[in-house]
Amino acid sequence: EDQVTQSPEALRLQEGESSSLNCSYTVSGLRGLFWYRQDPGKGPEFLFTLYSAGEEKEKERLKATLTKKESFLHITAPKPEDSATYLCAVSFSGGYNKLIFGAGTRLAVHP
Amino acid sequence: EPEVTQTPSHQVTQMGQEVILRCVPISNHLYFYWYRQILGQKVEFLVSFYNNEISEKSEIFDDQFSVERPDGSNFTLKIRSTKLEDSAMYFCASSAWTGSPNEQFFGPGTRLTVL
Repeated sequence: EDQVTQSPEALRLQEGESSSLNCSYTVSGLRGLFWYRQDPGKGPEFLFTLYSAGEEKEKERLKATLTKKESFLHITAPKPEDSATYLCAVSFSGGYNKLIFGAGTRLAVHP
Repeated sequence: EPEVTQTPSHQVTQMGQEVILRCVPISNHLYFYWYRQILGQKVEFLVSFYNNEISEKSEIFDDQFSVERPDGSNFTLKIRSTKLEDSAMYFCASSAWTGSPNEQFFGPGTRLTVL
C-alpha cells in the first residue's frame, strides 16, 4: 500500500534552535515529493518540489532534501512565524497527478 | 500573485441537502482537483479533472459527488445528499500542465458542516 509517514507528529523549538522534519514514503515509482505549509484553518501553501534522490531545494530558513526512501525538511534558526503544520505529499506512477499526503508535523517555535 | 479562490468559506447544511462548493482555479492552469480534510486527519484526494472530464477519482468520490466546469473560470463540487460524515474542509487545487508532475496550488478551503 502506498504510504507517506511523517515524524515527529509535533515539534516544539526555541527560536533559533535548528531541527529537521522527516517524511518517509513507500510508493511505486515516485514522480515527485512536495512540501507544503498549512496554517490553522487554511489551505496548504506550496513550498518545494523534489523529483530525484540527491536533489535539494532552499527557501529562506527552509531546506528540503530527498533520498530514495525519505525526505527531510531542515529548519535553520527558526522564528515564531515558522510555526505551522508542515505537510509532505507524493505523486507516483499510476496515480496520474493525485497527491498522497502524510499526517504532517505540527511545529511550534517559541521566542 | 495568482491564487485559487473558493466560495463560500463556510457552509452549514442539513443532512440530506445538496451543496455546491465553488472554486476559481488559477487562470492558465489546466488540471483541477478537489481534496478534503476531516478535522485532525490527513488531506485526502477526491477527484482530478482535465479537459472537461474526470481523470481520476478516489473511493470516497461515490455517486453522491460530482464535479463540473460550467464555464471558463469556475470549477464546482456538488454533494447531492449530504451525510454527517461529509463534514470537513474541502480544498480545491489547480496545476499547470508541463508533462511532468507539477505543483498543485490550493485554495483557502470551504468548511462544510452537516447537521
